[in-house]
Amino acid sequence: SAVISQKPSRDICQRGTSLTIQCQVDSQVTMMFWYRQQPGQSLTLIATANQGSEATYESGFVIDKFPISRPNLTFSTLTVSNMSPEDSSIYLCSVVQGGAIYGYTFGSGTRLTVV
Amino acid sequence: SQQGEEDPQALSIQEGENATMNCSYKTSINNLQWYRQNSGRGLVHLILIRSNEREKHSGRLRVTLDTSKKSSSLLITASRAADTASYFCATHGGTSYGKLTFGQGTILTVHP
Repeated sequence: SAVISQKPSRDICQRGTSLTIQCQVDSQVTMMFWYRQQPGQSLTLIATANQGSEATYESGFVIDKFPISRPNLTFSTLTVSNMSPEDSSIYLCSVVQGGAIYGYTFGSGTRLTVV
Repeated sequence: SQQGEEDPQALSIQEGENATMNCSYKTSINNLQWYRQNSGRGLVHLILIRSNEREKHSGRLRVTLDTSKKSSSLLITASRAADTASYFCATHGGTSYGKLTFGQGTILTVHP
């Protein structure tokens, strides 16, 4: 299965600023997924990122707030823009290989605290 | 929105006991997967069961799936303190590269 390197692992940011989270995969993957996990909650999909096309956002998430880049088949970034304390969460990227008959691989997560 | 509900929300047991967690979902699925998360870190894939399967085993894990009831259970036998974590079910439906929809999770604490 793929190995994902996610950076940073944690950060404390001032409100109104932006943070870019990076995920590097050790093999080429068609789709990458970005999730948010609010404190004590489950995971919610933010968007699906395909290489060479705009990301597809889930209901409640917009590109202006969470711009995503996918410049190639091994790398993606998620930016959390104009942050507020409500954005304090764990953000995770995920990939799947070989179709969904196998499990998905997740990055180690970015724990974001906005003060 | 979350696909399903998990119960219990929290489970506390002694080492050596079995732990059972349940998951219900709402829509049709291709497969259902279980993941473990330690201390708010990344998720680790445990086991996947396809919609045409009823039971699957992997080591100390046993998963059942009842598509008529839209429910699944995860059994961890002979639990260890290292099994302490949050456990999530996730459903996959639609296309082969479709998204996962997660349940609310069960926090399992195994006391030595």
